[in-house]
Amino acid sequence: GAGVSQTPSNKVTEKGKYVELRCDPISGHTALYWYRQSLGQGPEFLIYFQGTGAADDSGLPNDRFFAVRPEGSVSTLKIQRTERGDSAVYLCASSRSRGEGLFFGSGTQLSVL
Amino acid sequence: KNEVEQSPQNLTAQEGEFITINCSYSVGISALHWLQQHPGGGIVSLFMLSSGKKKHGRLIATINIQEKHSSLHITASHPRDSAVYICAVRRLNTGNQFYFGTGTSLTVIP
Repeated sequence: GAGVSQTPSNKVTEKGKYVELRCDPISGHTALYWYRQSLGQGPEFLIYFQGTGAADDSGLPNDRFFAVRPEGSVSTLKIQRTERGDSAVYLCASSRSRGEGLFFGSGTQLSVL
Repeated sequence: KNEVEQSPQNLTAQEGEFITINCSYSVGISALHWLQQHPGGGIVSLFMLSSGKKKHGRLIATINIQEKHSSLHITASHPRDSAVYICAVRRLNTGNQFYFGTGTSLTVIP
């Protein structure tokens, strides 16, 4: 695709449920990032993939959060036992390689009721 | 303390005014990005800087590595420039992790 695609654009779930958020990066981009943005705040780093491997997952807040990128392209961010505090916009970005410009998706607005 | 600080947090300007948004950081970096986020929209990368100055249309970005400071300037501001502008730095020795400022919300009034 022409840009970074994130689905769904909006997700409403109940506390305690499991959710999956998908990111389809720009073709050929090896680096993929997940960020979380709360209202009025800048994006908060969650995890960074270089190819298929998670090069840095230090931003994941706890073990309820997990992300995969099995074929080095599409990535899925998985949140177990969702809590109201997980409500935020989850942003995905990709870049061709280290040191290249970042391209962001439109984000997934997650609302945990 | 946040590694990346932006000022001002909020800015209102009249159309046509020259605008400056500042970003200071406290860590060693390999690159700095200026990003634009429209309400309800995604984030667009405006500039990536590692030194000096870049210009694109009415936008100018500068960086002073020694002073750990960058500025984003908008000349002849227009209401369509209204957005949140975010500074992000790629820290040295952290792989490829980026750290973000909290953003500057700009409103340009016709």
